[in-house]
Amino acid sequence: DADVTQTPRNRITKTGKRIMLECSQTKGHDRMYWYRQDPGLGLRLIYYSFDVKDINKGEISDGYSVSRQAQAKFSLSLESAIPNQTALYFCATSVGPSSPYNEQFFGPGTRLTVL
Amino acid sequence: AQKITQTQPGMFVQEKEAVTLDCTYDTSDQSYGLFWYKQPSSGEMIFLIYQGSYDEQNATEGRYSLNFQKARKSANLVISASQLGDSAMYFCAMRERTSGTYKYIFGTGTRLKVLA
Repeated sequence: DADVTQTPRNRITKTGKRIMLECSQTKGHDRMYWYRQDPGLGLRLIYYSFDVKDINKGEISDGYSVSRQAQAKFSLSLESAIPNQTALYFCATSVGPSSPYNEQFFGPGTRLTVL
Repeated sequence: AQKITQTQPGMFVQEKEAVTLDCTYDTSDQSYGLFWYKQPSSGEMIFLIYQGSYDEQNATEGRYSLNFQKARKSANLVISASQLGDSAMYFCAMRERTSGTYKYIFGTGTRLKVLA
């Protein structure tokens, strides 16, 4: 079973609709992240959370909100979707700085299309 | 200014040959980490290799090695003996500590095509 899962994997929605993307992890990591990937722009950080009570904005948080329901769950919401939010969305996790590598582990991605 | 720069949007390499993917970075931190990820056409992000800023030796993981030149702020990925399965998008990323928290910054990627 995958350590980091995302649901749904694909979603088509209409402008103005509310949509939630969910992320779950079984790695026991405290740190979780949401990124979006657009062609030619790489991955950009939307929000990140270092524990259940810690939520931080990334570089492109406008139009998004998040909820850290538990250590293992981190949800991303688009309150009123717009077409330029069409992108591939990734959830990621990492351990704290005590890990020598501290690499991020990524979910499989959610492809979101806003019409 | 870009924190992570990957100047090669696309690269071709002949199967079994070596290829170098360029990455330069910009940080004022003394302690930072550099990562390379592979993204095949299926979309997932696969961690390949890590280099810490204090590591004196270049990192190696199988056919992957990281050519770390700290003074030049470059962290190029070298793939030896390329295979068709190496065709993918490759991202360079940096972890740095800013305002008391760790952040990861990604480059725009290099698309590698391995030719038979």
